Amino acid sequence: DGGITQSPKYLFRKEGQNVTLSCEQNLNHDAMYWYRQDPGQGLRLIYYSQIVNDFQKGDIAEGYSVSREKKESFPLTVTSAQKNPTAFYLCASSIDPPHGTEAFFGQGTRLTVV
Amino acid sequence: KNEVEQSPQNLTAQEGEFITINCSYSVGISALHWLQQHPGGGIVSLFMLSSGKKKHGRLIATINIQEKHSSLHITASHPRDSAVYICAVRRGSQGNLIFGKGTKLSVKP
Repeated sequence: DGGITQSPKYLFRKEGQNVTLSCEQNLNHDAMYWYRQDPGQGLRLIYYSQIVNDFQKGDIAEGYSVSREKKESFPLTVTSAQKNPTAFYLCASSIDPPHGTEAFFGQGTRLTVV
Repeated sequence: KNEVEQSPQNLTAQEGEFITINCSYSVGISALHWLQQHPGGGIVSLFMLSSGKKKHGRLIATINIQEKHSSLHITASHPRDSAVYICAVRRGSQGNLIFGKGTKLSVKP
C-alpha cells in the first residue's frame, strides 16, 4: 500500500546531540513537508520541498536542517542549535497544484531530549 | 490573531449526539482539510474541500467560501470518534498547510 513512513515512533536523545528523523513516501509525490506540534498549538511548518534537491524554510526552520536527494525521502535533522527540540514531528506529502491538493501524513515521531 | 480558528477547543458529548466543530479562516485558500488525530499522534485526512459539502459515513463537512467558514458534523457519535479534529487550509499559491489548534472531542458511552 502507498503511504508515508516515519521512523522511529519514539526517540530519546541527550541534549547537545544532533538527531535525524526519517520520512519516506512511496506515493510518487513531488512535495514533502515537516511540521512540529507542541501541546496547545497548531502544527507549524519547519521545512518543505517541492522538488528533488530543492527545499525552503518554513515558519520555524531555525535549528533544523533537511535534504532531498531522492523524491521518496525527506529526512529532518534536529541540531543542537534547536533550543526546545522536545516535540512531536509530523511529515506530510502532497501532489501540488495543478495536479491535486490531497495531503497525506505519517504517523509522527515523538522526540524527547533529556 | 491566528489565520485559522477552531471552536470549540474542547467538546464532550454523550454517545449518539450530533456534533459540530467549526473552523474560520482569514486568508484566501485553494482547499480546506479536516484531519483526525488519535492519541497515538498519527493524522488521518478526513476531507478535502474547496466548495460545497462532502459526506463520508457519519461525517459531513461543509464549506462557505464567501464567509470563510467550514463545519465538520458527526452524526450518531460514538466513543471511537474521540480524537482531536484539526482544520487546515492550503493557501492559493503555496502547497503548505496552515493549521488550526484542533478541537479535542471526547464521546462518553
